[in-house]
Amino acid sequence: AQKVTQAQTEISVVEKEDVTLDCVYETRDTTYYLFWYKQPPSGELVFLIRRNSFDEQNEISGRYSWNFQKSTSSFNFTITASQVVDSAVYFCALSEAGANNLFFGTGTRLTVIP
Amino acid sequence: DTAVSQTPKYLVTQMGNDKSIKCEQNLGHDTMYWYKQDSKKFLKIMFSYNNKELIINETVPNRFSPKSPDKAHLNLHINSLELGDSAVYFCASSNGQGIPYEQYFGPGTRLTVT
Repeated sequence: AQKVTQAQTEISVVEKEDVTLDCVYETRDTTYYLFWYKQPPSGELVFLIRRNSFDEQNEISGRYSWNFQKSTSSFNFTITASQVVDSAVYFCALSEAGANNLFFGTGTRLTVIP
Repeated sequence: DTAVSQTPKYLVTQMGNDKSIKCEQNLGHDTMYWYKQDSKKFLKIMFSYNNKELIINETVPNRFSPKSPDKAHLNLHINSLELGDSAVYFCASSNGQGIPYEQYFGPGTRLTVT
């Protein structure tokens, strides 16, 4: 059975602070894919990153970075120098090979205070 | 150009009515999905279609019936609406069957049943 846990329900930071959003997953498959999505107050879901289970390299994209650790079944997301526009609900999701559906965590609401 | 579009954006209706939500994607993807997001922001897969064929049908009341006239469209028809159907419904699309590629989401349809 698959499970995605985002233990942080809500986080508030002051602008320019760094913030890390945690994601811990469970799966019995050896091949799986992990995702992060952003849902700003306007409501749409924006794809951020996809990572497969064989690629443990960390990824950096501008102020965003992701740390994938198979040993701890975690796929954490860090925003550096946060900005007000980063305020959103962030979802981590898992998809097992052969299954097309995304299994979402419960989301973390990030509020960046100016 | 809107990649995944849904209509209507808002839908307010009374219990017992039948309603439809339409979804279209112009990304050339062959797999489409419906997700439900409840009031606590939890996102859950409802259906998945690949090349007009039903692939995933999660435990959803049979009052919900998806229809895919072609691979660019996946509509959702709901019969005998109930209060508990109030939610935001997202359509999504992706490439591939068997390999979980990133899914691109529509803007969502907020359904309110009174």
